[in-house]
Amino acid sequence: GAVVSQHPSRVICKSGTSVKIECRSLDFQATTMFWYRQFPKQSLMLMATSNEGSKATYEQGVEKDKFLINHASLTLSTLTVTSAHPEDSSFYICSAPKQGANGYTFGSGTRLTVV
Amino acid sequence: GDSVTQMEGPVTLSEEAFLTINCTYTATGYPSLFWYVQYPGEGLQLLLKATKADDKGSNKGFEATYRKETTSFHLEKGSVQVSDSAVYFCALSTTSGNTPLVFGKGTRLSVIA
Repeated sequence: GAVVSQHPSRVICKSGTSVKIECRSLDFQATTMFWYRQFPKQSLMLMATSNEGSKATYEQGVEKDKFLINHASLTLSTLTVTSAHPEDSSFYICSAPKQGANGYTFGSGTRLTVV
Repeated sequence: GDSVTQMEGPVTLSEEAFLTINCTYTATGYPSLFWYVQYPGEGLQLLLKATKADDKGSNKGFEATYRKETTSFHLEKGSVQVSDSAVYFCALSTTSGNTPLVFGKGTRLSVIA
């Protein structure tokens, strides 16, 4: 149980275009979703926290107009990278807290490459 | 603020060698501690966890003991396999529920046959 499905797993886009990443909780209600970014050979850095029905909370240094987060329902949170540039190329992972043995469940990640 | 420090890699071991990856933390209160594993090209998987002092988490031959006196949660395995090659992340959470995990920088382990 407690599965988060993240799509797409890989995406290549041209500079200037926008990319949407979806995370769906399949068997539980995710009132909160954490969005992380991971650069090659580095740790996961928290970008923002989304809460269903309210505005996301962004970490310092993360541009909210560039990384649009929507959490319109209890089972879906989306991250849209707007006007993507090569420096946005990274591995993006979502995570939802889940009461139970594991505590947190992670999506499988999205590798974004901007060319 | 809360933080996690883990030994930098990469770590390269021969098959059946003993593994230790050090992890220490700084936190207010009494955090829960986790080890996550990331295989190449994949997301994170929970490897083990401990929620209070002296607890030992274990899974797939890996173990880690929550040491409050040394604020540590070192990961150990007695005999590594090639399939254990991955990146290992130590993490903490100071509350259960809606706060994000704080991760260490990760340690890349390569096991050679």
